[in-house]
Amino acid sequence: DAMVIQNPRYQVTQFGKPVTLSCSQTLNHNVMYWYQQKSSQAPKLLFHYYDKDFNNEADTPDNFQSRRPNTSFCFLDIRSPGLGDAAMYLCATTSRDGNQPQHFGDGTRLSIL
Amino acid sequence: GESVGLHLPTLSVQEGDNSIINCAYSNSASDYFIWYKQESGKGPQFIIDIRSNMDKRQGQRVTVLLNKTVKHLSLQIAATQPGDSAVYFCAGLRMDSSYKLIFGSGTRLLVRP
Repeated sequence: DAMVIQNPRYQVTQFGKPVTLSCSQTLNHNVMYWYQQKSSQAPKLLFHYYDKDFNNEADTPDNFQSRRPNTSFCFLDIRSPGLGDAAMYLCATTSRDGNQPQHFGDGTRLSIL
Repeated sequence: GESVGLHLPTLSVQEGDNSIINCAYSNSASDYFIWYKQESGKGPQFIIDIRSNMDKRQGQRVTVLLNKTVKHLSLQIAATQPGDSAVYFCAGLRMDSSYKLIFGSGTRLLVRP
């Protein structure tokens, strides 16, 4: 059973048109992450939530925003997607207990027309 | 700076042989390491982890070795199977309580029939 679910699996949007990607988890984990992964590269952390505390990475563009309305759900909003934002977006979760692996969803593949 | 890096981008092995994937790290503060397997179109899947108070840990057909002296981590896969073909990432957890992972660049494992 999938524990970190990302929807949709594939998303196509137009240049400059806002898009929202969603992630839900059944693990009741405190920490949720959003990563961007481009072809043949490692995942790159965009930001993460520790409970409701938002932690942005210094090099994450302002174009990327996130919301976490409750423990189970987290959203990635891209306000004005550019061609360079085409990538796989991965959501992950972990427990605050520390030294626990992050559990990843299968990602959303975002294409920009 | 902090980094977790891999020595080889691609490893090709014969089905049935053992595979060894290597990883070097420079962040001496990290004391928890994880190996992930990522198949095409999927998210990273947890394989095995190891804490710095250990130098070896075994799972089903996989073994992780940690050499803290030379800051080296390896993943050994016994009797490699076609289903093992994937990209493998090592990752280290930062020890600043940020719950962030530092990923290596990945090694693509190709299994020849």
